[in-house]
Amino acid sequence: KAGVTQTPRYLIKTRGQQVTLSCSPISGHRSVSWYQQTPGQGLQFLFEYFSETQRNKGNFPGRFSGRQFSNSRSEMNVSTLELGDSALYLCASRAWTGPLPGANVLTFGAGSRLTVL
Amino acid sequence: GENVEQHPSTLSVQEGDSAVIKCTYSDSASNYFPWYKQELGKRPQLIIDIRSNVGEKKDQRIAVTLNKTAKHFSLHITETQPEDSAVYFCAASKNKLVFGAGTILRVKS
Repeated sequence: KAGVTQTPRYLIKTRGQQVTLSCSPISGHRSVSWYQQTPGQGLQFLFEYFSETQRNKGNFPGRFSGRQFSNSRSEMNVSTLELGDSALYLCASRAWTGPLPGANVLTFGAGSRLTVL
Repeated sequence: GENVEQHPSTLSVQEGDSAVIKCTYSDSASNYFPWYKQELGKRPQLIIDIRSNVGEKKDQRIAVTLNKTAKHFSLHITETQPEDSAVYFCAASKNKLVFGAGTILRVKS
């Protein structure tokens, strides 16, 4: 089955602009999480959506927002871009939490690399 | 909230030697501990995971151990090979998956 698909793969923006990134999860996966990856900072959790509701949130400013649609596809938006927002944004999907093996396994997309000039 | 610390940040080993990466977590309620491998330019991929009701798990050359009392868990790679060179991330989860900062493993041939 198809993996996690993220679009666009690369984009360049300037300070003050906004950006929207898209993520299509694995078929049947209802949870989508977003992570920011920068050198030396590892994978920083942004938020997680399940059934169109934000279930968990990381420690990012309100400029970072997201949503999930009824087909489980998710978008994240960053407004008023800053230079420090330059990063690889990774989306990951999972079935959801629970005791079943594999329910918690995150499968990552290839990421969207954002450069802010 | 949960905090995960990972050490070392870089690790160089000779091919055939063993490599050990250690992580500590802060939330005693965390119950799921996966390890992800990220090769250069690629996405992170799960290599092994362990739940809080298990102390050790092995899969061929890799193993993970968990000490719930001390709140730390470790990844062990035996007989390392050049293709093991990558960034390894540990993570801990109760409701959300929190990752460590990563370990760059270099296997020298």
